[in-house]
Amino acid sequence: EVQLLESGGGLVQPGGSLRLSCAASGFTFSTYAMNWVRQAPGKGLEWVSAILGSGDNTYYADSVKGRFTISRDNSKNTLYLQMNSLRAEDAAVYYCAKPHAPDPKNFNYGLDVWGQGTTVTVSS
Amino acid sequence: DIVMTQSPDSLAVSLGERATINCKSSQSVLYSSNNKNYLAWYQQRPGQPPKLLIYWASTRESGVPDRFSGSGSGTDFTLTISSLQAEDVAVYYCQQHYRTPLTFGGGTKVEIK
Repeated sequence: EVQLLESGGGLVQPGGSLRLSCAASGFTFSTYAMNWVRQAPGKGLEWVSAILGSGDNTYYADSVKGRFTISRDNSKNTLYLQMNSLRAEDAAVYYCAKPHAPDPKNFNYGLDVWGQGTTVTVSS
Repeated sequence: DIVMTQSPDSLAVSLGERATINCKSSQSVLYSSNNKNYLAWYQQRPGQPPKLLIYWASTRESGVPDRFSGSGSGTDFTLTISSLQAEDVAVYYCQQHYRTPLTFGGGTKVEIK
């Protein structure tokens, strides 16, 4: 069974840092680009970041560029999101999501598998 | 950025009746080299992650009931639920996966009348 399991969320003060992880199983992780998508409480979906299969190319929403870093360890089948300089507006459920097609050089696909999400709360 | 605009924000439909959700992109998401529209639809039930229903604007994801269908091209797209069932109560989102940043519509809440 294809699964994604996020972890690492929690309560952090404004200006603080968190590192999210997403453990993947049931598919050949390195052959897929991967994404992070977030959802603030009661709000819609916002794409945050993507990384190609090799990890060499990364992409970010303007709202997080320069503060967040996406990375992956294909030997551990794990995706990461390092979040620094956190703001109140970063509070959300963070999902990792997999494209529906294996293409390590492209993430322009619909997202067919999502984790259950991990909650980030930013508050003093 | 490509802005995705959904309408209506919410709709209430009787069981067994048709539900129609519209999605408009600020730029075409049709890639001419492969003639594919880079448009996906998702269903999100309360407390759950989104579920992919449709990709390439009209290709139904495996396991999705055939009462769900997607249509449209270029900048105008539609998700149709042909006969609404109780389990279809959810928020539905369109998303363009044509270029970064990937962007979602604001969502349409579907309820039972």
